[in-house]
Amino acid sequence: QKEVEQNSGPLSVPEGAIASLNCTYSDRVSQSFFWYRQYSGKSPELIMSIYSNGDKEDGRFTAQLNKASQYVSLLIRDSQPSDSATYLCAVNMFAGNQFYFGTGTSLTVIP
Amino acid sequence: NAGVTQTPKFQVLKTGQSMTLQCAQDMNHNSMYWYRQDPGMGLRLIYYSASEGTTDKGEVPNGYNVSRLNKREFSLRLESAAPSQTSVYFCASSDGGRVRGAEAFFGQGTRLTVV
Repeated sequence: QKEVEQNSGPLSVPEGAIASLNCTYSDRVSQSFFWYRQYSGKSPELIMSIYSNGDKEDGRFTAQLNKASQYVSLLIRDSQPSDSATYLCAVNMFAGNQFYFGTGTSLTVIP
Repeated sequence: NAGVTQTPKFQVLKTGQSMTLQCAQDMNHNSMYWYRQDPGMGLRLIYYSASEGTTDKGEVPNGYNVSRLNKREFSLRLESAAPSQTSVYFCASSDGGRVRGAEAFFGQGTRLTVV
């Protein structure tokens, strides 16, 4: 059973603060990890992908991966109201190429 | 630049009716997926096709069938719709399996209500 766990939230942060989103996964075979953003009524869109231990930065977003702890996180610096959405963590097994998703964390950035 | 296209966008069915959700991608991806999304449940994998000519069950396949018609198209069929199948359905595609770390691209979703 492949499980991806996220805190459902809701998470509220003031504008300009750092939002921290966390995800754990159960299958050690998982090889690639993704953060998707989903606005209400819309389809998921990719924010970050990571598959090596450590940090990966892209603009205001930083993904962190720790395979030993089976943990992946997303930091959003200088949070903006437009960041208010549900953030989905996904893991992928290279063989078979299946993507499994967490239930998502709802983020609200308060102006 | 269409990406992943799903039809229809909205559908209302009566219990027991059948229908097919269509999905096509123009990115030459090998893998395609069908997910359903329910409040509080996240995205759950119904069926996937790792490559043309193959299909496999995901987490919640009961009540559904799929066809990988060719490399571009992957359809999802509900043979006898039930109210429990009321959901938002997403089709996705990916070049993973061939490219490490390749993301999944999603269609715009189909909102299905079974009454």
